[in-house]
Amino acid sequence: ETGVTQTPRHLVMGMTNKKSLKCEQHLGHNAMYWYKQSAKKPLELMFVYSLEERVENNSVPSRFSPECPNSSHLFLHLHTLQPEDSALYLCASSQVLRQNYGYTFGSGTRLTVV
Amino acid sequence: EDQVTQSPEALRLQEGESSSLNCSYTVSGLRGLFWYRQDPGKGPEFLFTLYSAGEEKEKERLKATLTKKESFLHITAPKPEDSATYLCAVQEGGNAGNMLTFGGGTRLMVKP
Repeated sequence: ETGVTQTPRHLVMGMTNKKSLKCEQHLGHNAMYWYKQSAKKPLELMFVYSLEERVENNSVPSRFSPECPNSSHLFLHLHTLQPEDSALYLCASSQVLRQNYGYTFGSGTRLTVV
Repeated sequence: EDQVTQSPEALRLQEGESSSLNCSYTVSGLRGLFWYRQDPGKGPEFLFTLYSAGEEKEKERLKATLTKKESFLHITAPKPEDSATYLCAVQEGGNAGNMLTFGGGTRLMVKP
């Protein structure tokens, strides 16, 4: 596989459920990101891991919990979500410390909270 | 705080009707300005990076230009397959994680 792979592609969960989103990159990059994309709003940065350390939190609610076990994998653990958390969650990777192409994005997970 | 504003929000063109998309930005020390294309239900796909005022880059029917305050994405003789949302993002110099700040996007629809 190449690029950035996100699973699942679609997820429907109740407000009391716990679920996790997975992201894997096959590009040898050393930084990974979670972005939230809601209708008619710019992409919102949620979390950044650069060289496997969290760099940015951006005041994201604690019901979202990231995990980056190594430079190729990134998870977003979800619990007790609200309907307004329904959105497209995008994972991206990049190579820090050199001028680059910005990010390579995955196809996203479409999350619906019911 | 970095700010990126894209206009128009939506643009309808006839096939072959050239036009431009605008990206205005405010950033403290621009490291790079990025253009992405996003198709429905997919992640953004990289198009261009511009690093300094006066720089231009081309790819097929697309041409991106950069000034100190804004960037334009010119679309020459568009085809229906160019229909997508075009996103602009800026990267500030010195940020440790290569973080990008995105604009709201321009949704382009090209009719045959």
